[in-house]
Amino acid sequence: NAGVTQTPKFQVLKTGQSMTLQCAQDMNHEYMSWYRQDPGMGLRLIHYSVGAGITDQGEVPNGYNVSRSTTEDFPLRLLSAAPSQTSVYFCASRLGETQYFGPGTRLLVL
Amino acid sequence: GENVEQHPSTLSVQEGDSAVIKCTYSDSASNYFPWYKQELGKGPQLIIDIRSNVGEKKDQRIAVTLNKTAKHFSLHITETQPEDSAVYFCAATLIQGAQKLVFGQGTRLTINP
Repeated sequence: NAGVTQTPKFQVLKTGQSMTLQCAQDMNHEYMSWYRQDPGMGLRLIHYSVGAGITDQGEVPNGYNVSRSTTEDFPLRLLSAAPSQTSVYFCASRLGETQYFGPGTRLLVL
Repeated sequence: GENVEQHPSTLSVQEGDSAVIKCTYSDSASNYFPWYKQELGKGPQLIIDIRSNVGEKKDQRIAVTLNKTAKHFSLHITETQPEDSAVYFCAATLIQGAQKLVFGQGTRLTINP
């Protein structure tokens, strides 16, 4: 199993540009989540999904959209990037109580 | 909602000594408290967890204690080794439902040889 994979590893955007961060898992987990990690603030939940076709907002959802058309994939979309979205983004899937995190995407918005 | 405070933000100990990281939580309904280790350039990885019906849990050199009355829990690492150097995060949540983890701010642990 590859576990949770994320692409790209690193991305530079200009303010106003859009992009999609990809996340995939091959463990057939129903639950998936997106977090952002900022210095001194730990990880904060952006959006989560409890299964295909079902998504909900987390703690910091503004500026981000998600969809869950399949169990395997959970992409995160930035419609109009802002410098405040510069961060490291982690996708996770969950089985039972245990969350499995991907390696992260480092995003820089200029 | 839940709020988790973690201390200290940085911790430096000599190899072989013990390290203790403490967290407090605000929501008395939280019943699951995991600890994650994040190595440089990688995603967080679960190292140990504890449920609210247990006061202490051990796994080799790592232990976690929970005080429900005071709403705080701690990570204890004994006989520290250089590979223990990493950032550690505590978290709290309610197991039922979507289980939205709320993380502490993180502790950067450095083991000095």
